[in-house]
Amino acid sequence: QKEVEQNSGPLSVPEGAIASLNCTYSDRGSQSFFWYRQYSGKSPELIMFIYSNGDKEDGRFTAQLNKASQYVSLLIRDSQPSDSATYLCAVNDLEYGNKLVFGAGTILRVKS
Amino acid sequence: DTAVSQTPKYLVTQMGNDKSIKCEQNLGHDTMYWYKQDSKKFLKIMFSYNNKELIINETVPNRFSPKSPDKAHLNLHINSLELGDSAVYFCASSPTSSSGANVLTFGAGSRLTVL
Repeated sequence: QKEVEQNSGPLSVPEGAIASLNCTYSDRGSQSFFWYRQYSGKSPELIMFIYSNGDKEDGRFTAQLNKASQYVSLLIRDSQPSDSATYLCAVNDLEYGNKLVFGAGTILRVKS
Repeated sequence: DTAVSQTPKYLVTQMGNDKSIKCEQNLGHDTMYWYKQDSKKFLKIMFSYNNKELIINETVPNRFSPKSPDKAHLNLHINSLELGDSAVYFCASSPTSSSGANVLTFGAGSRLTVL
């Protein structure tokens, strides 16, 4: 069974700081990596995805992938109270219908 | 327009009853999914259909039966409901991607409470 591990948190950061969220995965063959944000009582929504080693930036968000170490991270610059949510890391499992395996999520709290 | 819509949003029922959740997507995606999110917020796949064909069937009790009448609809029927079935059930869809990546669009979720 493929596994995706995240620290459940909560991770608390002050407004304006950089929030760093980390995720490790067990399957070396995984090729696609996703970050979803889920507000309380709402459905997950895609923030960004990354395929290649290195950094990928989208606005205040940067995803970082290191396949050799099997980790993927999400940096949120200039954190805002509206960023307070649960962040779900997901990894594709090519072996079985190309499903997405989700981590349990990290709760982020941005304090104003 | 809602991209992935699920009904009902809330379901409260007694143990032993049978219930259904319906899902429809208007994104033109080929693949649809059912995910279960338990009280610990862990999101786990249950089923996946591609163009009406079942392609993922996780270790789920056979009381759960999905049906896809066409590629835009995926329903979930649950027989003999148990307390442990209480959860939020999310429908999702994704396009078929040559890169192998599945960008999921989720519905709003259906919160099932079994008493």
